[in-house]
Amino acid sequence: EPEVTQTPSHQVTQMGQEVILRCVPISNHLYFYWYRQILGQKVEFLVSFYNNEISEKSEIFDDQFSVERPDGSNFTLKIRSTKLEDSAMYFCASSEGVSGTDTQYFGPGTRLTVL
Amino acid sequence: AQSVTQPDIHITVSEGASLELRCNYSYGATPYLFWYVQSPGQGLQLLLKYFSGDTLVQGIKGFEAEFKRSQSSFNLRKPSVHWSDAAEYFCAVGPARSNYQLIWGAGTKLIIKP
Repeated sequence: EPEVTQTPSHQVTQMGQEVILRCVPISNHLYFYWYRQILGQKVEFLVSFYNNEISEKSEIFDDQFSVERPDGSNFTLKIRSTKLEDSAMYFCASSEGVSGTDTQYFGPGTRLTVL
Repeated sequence: AQSVTQPDIHITVSEGASLELRCNYSYGATPYLFWYVQSPGQGLQLLLKYFSGDTLVQGIKGFEAEFKRSQSSFNLRKPSVHWSDAAEYFCAVGPARSNYQLIWGAGTKLIIKP
């Protein structure tokens, strides 16, 4: 069964450093998403991406964040200058379409720890 | 404001016992409703979803959920739990027009007693 993959599974970085989290969505999916979950808190939507541009973003997704589909398979989330409060589990998801009937499939997550 | 409430942070049940996890939502329009499960070290896996029609929906792993519009609830049930069901369960709602963003509950951690 096709699945969303994410690398690395765990990333440790120093405050102020740039990090890139990588995701490989399911191959025939067209819509991609990033969510985060701070330890002990709810899952929060960050951004959705379609046709090489951002479709929607939350207020969390400020100028420090960017997303990119550098090639036909990868979907990346970049945090330019990490802060302590960026420490969280980051989930990538993808879906075939964007209607409410289209299921989002999630990857296993990348745990980001900012020291 | 749109929100999802899962009132139970933890639930402990004995293996073989029945299970009900509660989910209440506040949503202005007709919502699409989802239950996801997160096993330790795993991603979020869709258990089931409700869009319309029969208010009792069947999912994977023997789970079912019932949509009750009058109570704004979408409770997850399983008649007999297995030790492998130990995980965290998340209820989420999405807008009917698109699922650009899901609104999530805080999750309920299910602990199985042998």
